[in-house]
Amino acid sequence: GAVVSQHPSWVICKSGTSVKIECRSLDFQATTMFWYRQFPKQSLMLMATSNEGSKATYEQGVEKDKFLINHASLTLSTLTVTSAHPEDSSFYICSAHGGRGGTDTQYFGPGTRLTVL
Amino acid sequence: RKEVEQDPGPFNVPEGATVAFNCTYSNSASQSFFWYRQDCRKEPKLLMSVYSSGNEDGRFTAQLNRASQYISLLIRDSKLSDSATYLCVVNISFQKLVFGTGTRLLVSP
Repeated sequence: GAVVSQHPSWVICKSGTSVKIECRSLDFQATTMFWYRQFPKQSLMLMATSNEGSKATYEQGVEKDKFLINHASLTLSTLTVTSAHPEDSSFYICSAHGGRGGTDTQYFGPGTRLTVL
Repeated sequence: RKEVEQDPGPFNVPEGATVAFNCTYSNSASQSFFWYRQDCRKEPKLLMSVYSSGNEDGRFTAQLNRASQYISLLIRDSKLSDSATYLCVVNISFQKLVFGTGTRLLVSP
């Protein structure tokens, strides 16, 4: 199947710093990418939909000024957690729509575990 | 009411057992349905799509009942490697996936 990578796989940072997470589709072009967050023992929650060349669409309750999304190319979307605080500690997963699987298929990256001290 | 509801489990079964998971969804306009598998501290991986006619992939059988808004997954001849969390996932609009909290399965020797 299609491959989606994320970098970094884990990050530990101090409260107040900003953290950038990259999501790349390695063998296909993704016009749409999605960013999810998963807290322990909870389900994945969609944060935002990232569209190449246009502004991201954020889900209700997700602060767009805190979670900056940039989808500058068909293979790269970035999520920047600005002024991170301990409550932002979570597992952040991206997915990309496309690849050989057809329009219904989303391929997930391996996730980024963020710990804010 | 949650958009996608699952029994969190855990389901503890011996190797070789048959186990079934259920899931209900609230949005009648939901378009497509999936079962994903998630191992501890890993990303979810697509197990199978779910069709109204029912579909089978080896030891796994999925069923969809649109009238009851109900999805099921049956695993036959459980293996130790089947131990994971199984996520019921519903596509409610263009590419927007809603995940259930997952059902945890533990297969023991």
